Amino acid sequence: LAKTTQPISMDSYEGQEVNITCSHNNIATNDYITWYQQFPSQGPRFIIQGYKTKVTNEVASLFIPADRKSSTLSLPRVSLSDTAVYYCLVGDRRDDKIIFGKGTRLHILP
Amino acid sequence: NAGVTQTPKFRVLKTGQSMTLLCAQDMNHEYMYWYRQDPGMGLRLIHYSVGEGTTAKGEVPDGYNVSRLKKQNFLLGLESAAPSQTSVYFCASSYGETPAYEQYFGPGTRLTVT
Repeated sequence: LAKTTQPISMDSYEGQEVNITCSHNNIATNDYITWYQQFPSQGPRFIIQGYKTKVTNEVASLFIPADRKSSTLSLPRVSLSDTAVYYCLVGDRRDDKIIFGKGTRLHILP
Repeated sequence: NAGVTQTPKFRVLKTGQSMTLLCAQDMNHEYMYWYRQDPGMGLRLIHYSVGEGTTAKGEVPDGYNVSRLKKQNFLLGLESAAPSQTSVYFCASSYGETPAYEQYFGPGTRLTVT
């Protein structure tokens, strides 16, 4: 299971684009990059997953450079309701378990 | 579909008491997981199951037991509760090509041990 490093916390304002970067220098060939979102008093929610280049869905975009040693979760035009903890996870699709770190605590200000 | 449900939502136990937390999923998922989350911390995996009748240890299995007698249910037992087991417990389930990385979580059970 690859080790990941992400900022402990970030602040931003409503309406701005927020980018959260995750470092994973020892990512392996078969590893995927996955992000979860956790609101207070709720379980985490899967938001996006990618292998390389760019992935976009209705919630976020995930940018992965060619060397795959880092990735950036991009949240467009955030609102107060995007205040949450965001977890970056890296691992092989054949893994049967994962390790959650402490994540990035994103605080959106009005 | 209800998704993943957990019973109970809240519980207070005295040290030494036992209890069982129930997790149920109606998505026909093969994989199920139990995590605990302490204040300001990430989730830590207690036990998990890759199919009916199978279980395996996670990061912090001591003091807990699990059973997966039916595919849709995953039970977490505390035989003799300790204050260190005060936490929020989350159950999750998954399927697919990257099961460990696409999990669906329940709403959590807040357990206090006094």
